[in-house]
Amino acid sequence: QSVLTQPPSVSATPGQKVTISCSGSSANIGNNYVSWYQQLPGTAPKLLIYDNDERPSGIPDRFSGSKSGTSATLGITGLQTGDEADYYCGAWDSSLSAVVFGGGTKLTVL
Amino acid sequence: EVQLVQSGAEVKKPGESLRISCKGSGYRFTNYWIGWVRQMPGKDLEWLGLIYPGGSDSRYSPSFQGQITLSADKSISTAYLQWSSLKASDTALYYCARRGGSGSHFDYWGQGTLVTVSS
Repeated sequence: QSVLTQPPSVSATPGQKVTISCSGSSANIGNNYVSWYQQLPGTAPKLLIYDNDERPSGIPDRFSGSKSGTSATLGITGLQTGDEADYYCGAWDSSLSAVVFGGGTKLTVL
Repeated sequence: EVQLVQSGAEVKKPGESLRISCKGSGYRFTNYWIGWVRQMPGKDLEWLGLIYPGGSDSRYSPSFQGQITLSADKSISTAYLQWSSLKASDTALYYCARRGGSGSHFDYWGQGTLVTVSS
């Protein structure tokens, strides 16, 4: 059971927009920054979003992040088949003194 | 270009010791924390801990404290994750990753090291 809760899967068609939620508590998302990672099949995770809504250089603006209270959301617009991957949220948990991750969401682009 | 290159796959027996490595390049290795993340087969990401190569300060996840040891050799820009006595449940893919700045995120990741523990 992961500390951060994500839906196991989401799906959408090419060109559409999809959002992935990440729910936590005041110990993690509520009072700390959230990051998002993309893990393509057979590869290492890749940072998509940090500090709730910041994109590293090289990440297209199709990817966006937001946070409200104890929940965060990753948005992906203009979906491409190459976006099919597992997506994870992460944050520092002040109670556990640990970095915690969500259970991951598998995105299928139909 | 920032790169983290990890050592190759390992196959070990229960009770054996193991040390895997993560070599950084393309940046000042001593200025950034290195984190370790476990991914069991078909499962999600689990944070093991952090090591600061500049001063060898380390932080462990309470879930892994006492089970692993993190270290670093700044002279060769390499961080290590080691076990003194492996268990079958340690079978997983292990990633090292550079902590980005002062945040809790990881901006560059190694390619992963698969550790298989089986009798």
